Amino acid sequence: GEDVEQSLFLSVREGDSSVINCTYTDSSSTYLYWYKQEPGAGLQLLTYIFSNMDMKQDQRLTVLLNKKDKHLSLRIADTQTGDSAIYFCALPKAGTALIFGKGTTLSVSS
Amino acid sequence: NAGVTQTPKFRILKIGQSMTLQCTQDMNHNYMYWYRQDPGMGLKLIYYSVGAGITDKGEVPNGYNVSRSTTEDFPLRLELAAPSQTSVYFCASSSTAGANYGYTFGSGTRLTVV
Repeated sequence: GEDVEQSLFLSVREGDSSVINCTYTDSSSTYLYWYKQEPGAGLQLLTYIFSNMDMKQDQRLTVLLNKKDKHLSLRIADTQTGDSAIYFCALPKAGTALIFGKGTTLSVSS
Repeated sequence: NAGVTQTPKFRILKIGQSMTLQCTQDMNHNYMYWYRQDPGMGLKLIYYSVGAGITDKGEVPNGYNVSRSTTEDFPLRLELAAPSQTSVYFCASSSTAGANYGYTFGSGTRLTVV
C-alpha cells in the first residue's frame, strides 16, 4: 500500500467542523505535517506535530496523533469558505525527503 | 524575502523538446527538492539535493536531470519532453534534513507537453 493515505474528498457546510484523516506506514518520523494548497498555488505549511505529542491546538486547528494506529487527523473548527482547498498529510521518509498523501479536497458550502 | 522562486510559471513544449525549470531560494537552505504533482496523485519526489554539488534521485527521476552548483539554485532539466511529463512542478527547500519546520515551496511551473 501507499506510505501515506488520505481520503480524497470532504464536503462540509460553513460553520461545521471538518476532520481530515491520514494513515501512514513509517513510524520513525519525528515530525508530521499538514500542508494546504489553494487553487493555482503552491503548498503552504499549515501546522505540524512532534511525534511525542498526542495533540496540538492552534486557533481553529487541532491535530491529533495516534502513534499506535499510525493515524493523524486535522480538525478545523467553524469551517469557512476560505478553508476550501486541498490538504496534504506529509512526513519525512528516512534518508530522503517528505512524502505526501494524495491530498484531501475540502469543499465548504455556504 | 522572496523565499523560493520558480520560473517560468507556465510552459507548453512539443514532444522531444528540451527545457530547464529554474528554482532559486534566498534563505540559505542547504536542502532543495523537486516534486511533480499530478491530479489526484499527490506529490512525487523527482530529485533532491543536500547541498551544493550533491544530488540524489527520488521516486520518479526518469526523464529528468538536476544540478546544484550553488546553494541558491537547483534547476531541473527535461531533455526529451514526453506527454507523460505534463504536470505541475514544485521546487521546495528546507534548512534541515529532518525538515523539522517543514518545507518552503515555490508557486509551481505548469508544464504541458503536446
